[in-house]
Order: sequence, then C-alpha cells, then structure tokens
Amino acid sequence: QVQLVESGGGVVQPGRSLRLSCAASGFTFRNYGMHWVRQAPGKGLEWVALIWHDGSSKYYVDSVKGRFTISRDNSKNTMYLQMTSLRAEDTAVYYCARDINSRWYDLWGQGTLVTVSS
Amino acid sequence: DIQMTQSPSSLSASVGDRVTITCRASQSISSYINWYQQKPGKAPTLLIYDAFSLQSGVPSRFSGSGSGTDFTLTISSLQPEDCATYYCQLGYNTAPLTFGGGTEVEIK
Repeated sequence: QVQLVESGGGVVQPGRSLRLSCAASGFTFRNYGMHWVRQAPGKGLEWVALIWHDGSSKYYVDSVKGRFTISRDNSKNTMYLQMTSLRAEDTAVYYCARDINSRWYDLWGQGTLVTVSS
Repeated sequence: DIQMTQSPSSLSASVGDRVTITCRASQSISSYINWYQQKPGKAPTLLIYDAFSLQSGVPSRFSGSGSGTDFTLTISSLQPEDCATYYCQLGYNTAPLTFGGGTEVEIK
C-alpha cells in the first residue's frame, strides 16, 4: 500500500550525529518532492527540510542549516536526513511527508523519535 | 518569511456544535493555505488544501474558507472523533511551508 516509513531515531548525545531514513512504497517515489517535518514534545509542527523530486534542489529551516543534510536515493525509494552537531533543541518526532505541487503534504509517515540528551 | 497565526490555541465544545478556527497570514497568500488534523500520538493528516478543497475521504462537515490573509476552518457539527489538534499551513510554493501554532479541540 501507499506508505512512508521512517527509521533511525534514538537517543544520542549532544554534538553527535544520526541519520534518519524514510522508505517509500506503493507510489512512484521519484515523481515527488519530499520533506522532513518535526515536532518537539508537546509542541507544534515545524518544517525542517525539502528535497525536490530529482534531488536537484534542497531547502532547510534556518536552525538546521549547516548541520542537517537532506538527500534521496530514487533507486531505493528512500529519503534521508543526516543530522550532525545535534543539540537538545533538536529533540523531536521527525516525520517525512510527500509533497504535492510544492504546496501541501498528502502522505505522512508515522514518525521516528530523536532524543538528544547526555 | 510569512508567519501564520492561529486562534484560538484551544477550545472546548459540545458534540453537534459548530466550531471555527482561524488562521491569519502576515501577508497576502491568495488561497495558498492548507489544514491538517493531528490526533494524539499520530501523524497529521490533510483535511483541506488550497483554502477550501476537501481532501479525498475527509467528512463533509469540515470546510475551509478565506483568501488573502484571513482564513477559517469550520467543523459544522462537532463529533467525538474530531478531538484533535488542527494546524494551518502556508501552501505557497516556496520553502518554508510554515505551520500555524495549532488549535487543540476538545469535547465538553
């Protein structure tokens, strides 16, 4: 069925790195832009990063620029978020989401929790 | 960046009530706004896109309206399963696709 499945979350110390994955199935992955959206505990939704369908353009929220890298492998139907120099404020559930026309998200994964703590 | 301000931050209403949530953009965004529902412990789901277009499978008691800077999400007759947090989102085709702060809806 059509779905997105995130993985790679966990507990990590401040300053360390982590890579999240988002596996897509049931649709033609290479045709869609993809996003990462996060939600800190008890807080609202925050857009994190966008990658175009072909990987040619990438955008980030200011707070993660220079620390996070979004990428994708269309041959594996998978998107990634490489997170480095992690901070306590990066603690959140990270969702991947499918983009429609660079305007809305019609499909979300179940989320993966990243906890940055010593 | 365009800011999206939602109100109220929370509300309590009875089953069958008409509920309205508003979202104001810091500048005109035409009809480029989306609405999502998020139930506790779950991922958000799309309700409305482009201000008033109902996503497939969403009950018709949900509707959206507005243009320019002021937008509303209306639940015409609140049901127990509508207990959730609702978010507006800037749907302009440029990053960031900013979210509003959310409105938590509870049943009295």
